[in-house]
Amino acid sequence: GQQVMQIPQYQHVQEGEDFTTYCNSSTTLSNIQWYKQRPGGHPVFLIQLVKSGEVKKQKRLTFQFGEAKKNSSLHITATQTTDVGTYFCAGSGMNRDDKIIFGKGTRLHILP
Amino acid sequence: NAGVTQTPKFQVLKTGQSMTLQCAQDMNHNSMYWYRQDPGMGLRLIYYSASEGTTDKGEVPNGYNVSRLNKREFSLRLESAAPSQTSVYFCASSERGRTSGTETQYFGPGTRLLVL
Repeated sequence: GQQVMQIPQYQHVQEGEDFTTYCNSSTTLSNIQWYKQRPGGHPVFLIQLVKSGEVKKQKRLTFQFGEAKKNSSLHITATQTTDVGTYFCAGSGMNRDDKIIFGKGTRLHILP
Repeated sequence: NAGVTQTPKFQVLKTGQSMTLQCAQDMNHNSMYWYRQDPGMGLRLIYYSASEGTTDKGEVPNGYNVSRLNKREFSLRLESAAPSQTSVYFCASSERGRTSGTETQYFGPGTRLLVL
């Protein structure tokens, strides 16, 4: 079955450093979504990528969807304490009935 | 709009007790989902309902039952709670987009369940 793998599981960075999390699927995806979950909170939708090779930016966050639509990355430039949380990728297969599959997430800690 | 609401926020059960987790959404979404979240395991789908009147098993359905009461409400029932069901439970809803397979999920605040 479809699997979505995410690395790293944990990341500690100094405030101001950059951070990247990677997402890989065992099958081709129709789209990839990214969610953020603050400590004690619930996942909140950040963005969706649909096109092969697509790149989208939200302020200091850059999202990429691979050419083969099997991998994706989220890069945060100059991290701030407000970036603390767990970042999940989630993908859906090419069939219309395929359900969304979440990666296990990357937990980001910011060291002051 | 309240979005997705869940009750209760917290619950402590003894092994063997039963309970129902309630979820409601006011976004007129067709699809609703129940997930559990455990440390290091991410979000695992328990059951989902693609539309009113239909339910399907997800990745970890054993020990749970669901009811799609109407378009707004989707409940999750534990008939005989076990310590392995200690977890945080999230309900979510989505409206399938015009592009095949796209369905942004909106999550509720979660229910923290402890089974002793």
